[in-house]
Amino acid sequence: GQNIDQPTEMTATEGAIVQINCTYQTSGFNGLFWYQQHAGEAPTFLSYNVLDGLEEKGRFSSFLSRSKGYSYLLLKELQMKDSASYLCAVRDNDYKLSFGAGTTVTVRA
Amino acid sequence: ETGVTQTPRHLVMGMTNKKSLKCEQHLGHNAMYWYKQSAKKPLELMFVYSLEERVENNSVPSRFSPECPNSSHLFLHLHTLQPEDSALYLCASSQAQDSLSGANVLTFGAGSRLTVL
Repeated sequence: GQNIDQPTEMTATEGAIVQINCTYQTSGFNGLFWYQQHAGEAPTFLSYNVLDGLEEKGRFSSFLSRSKGYSYLLLKELQMKDSASYLCAVRDNDYKLSFGAGTTVTVRA
Repeated sequence: ETGVTQTPRHLVMGMTNKKSLKCEQHLGHNAMYWYKQSAKKPLELMFVYSLEERVENNSVPSRFSPECPNSSHLFLHLHTLQPEDSALYLCASSQAQDSLSGANVLTFGAGSRLTVL
């Protein structure tokens, strides 16, 4: 089966940086996704990595190392609206998407 | 309307009831999905329809019955559910997944919060 691990909760201060790690063991690899989900809302797509390295999108960046089965999502200049759950998901060789349990980030003033 | 719309947003039902969840997408996608989201657990893939054919059925109990009448609509029919079926049921859509598809991001609806008494 697929195994995707990420921390359950993280807390940070407004304006700070937070790094959410995700490790995975899957049957093949065909891309890694990060989604953001605010309470009571739909998960929304943040980033996609299929090659090693860093993808930057404004305040959010995502990094991938396929050899280590590791990714992180970096949130810079944290804002209160960034308080949400962040879901790591990996697509395997059969194009099935498996999700981690999500990391709840709380931003404090 | 745009995106993926799910109705109802909240549903409370008894174990002997029959109800249905509805999902509609206006994105021109040709694949649709049902996921179950329980607190502190990973999203569980339940069913996948690609080009209106069911391509995935992840050992889901028969008390859940999907229906995909066309590429824009997806239903989940519920009957004789158990209290442990209480969860958020998320619908998603995308272009059909294949080797040429690139990112092929899933777009989710806001979910139907189901409580089984």
